[in-house]
Amino acid sequence: QLQMQESGPGLVKPSETLSLTCAVSGGSISSSNYYWGWIRQPPGKGLEWIGSIYYSGSTYYNPSLKSRVTISVDTSKNQFSLKLSSVTDADTAMYFCARHSTVTTFVFVYWGQGTLVTVSS
Amino acid sequence: QSALTQPRSVSGSPGQSVTISCTGTSSDVGGYNYVSWYQQHPGEAPKLMIYDVSKRPSGVPDRFSGSKSGNTASLTISGLQAEDEADYYCSSYAGSYILVFGGGTKVTVL
Repeated sequence: QLQMQESGPGLVKPSETLSLTCAVSGGSISSSNYYWGWIRQPPGKGLEWIGSIYYSGSTYYNPSLKSRVTISVDTSKNQFSLKLSSVTDADTAMYFCARHSTVTTFVFVYWGQGTLVTVSS
Repeated sequence: QSALTQPRSVSGSPGQSVTISCTGTSSDVGGYNYVSWYQQHPGEAPKLMIYDVSKRPSGVPDRFSGSKSGNTASLTISGLQAEDEADYYCSSYAGSYILVFGGGTKVTVL
């Protein structure tokens, strides 16, 4: 059974960079069949796709966040990471990592439990 | 790319049917058969309920069904049960390898 676990600081100061990692177990991140994505959810609000990555390093970003987002993959550690720069309080959210099938169908079956990141000084 | 439009809330009594709409444009919902629906209970990660407009993953009750007409997709829950009370989100491929979500709908079982 695939498991995904987000980790990283729960508190980030405004203007700094948010950094999170998603560790994958029970399956290989190098599988040619899947992509690995980040989704966030501000408190009491809806879901927002941040971006996705393929094990080869190909990335796909939400245009509204593209200028501030970097997603990378470390196949040796079976994990992938998110960096979001110049954060503001609008970036306070639960951040989920998830696996999906393709970059057209975007079917998210497996999700991490999520990690809450608060932006505050 | 704007978020897809969903009603803020819908409600129904146990055993009744409810339908949640998800309205987009010809650039997303109307342009592709790649609409998914997710159920989210408080404090939990979303759970896939429907994908590719109307396909149901194994383990999802057949009370849940999806459809699409033009730029609007719909999720219908038939025979509403107490455990169906949750937030529901639609998502759609929007071209250029971009995904857009709906704003979410709270389903209340009366």
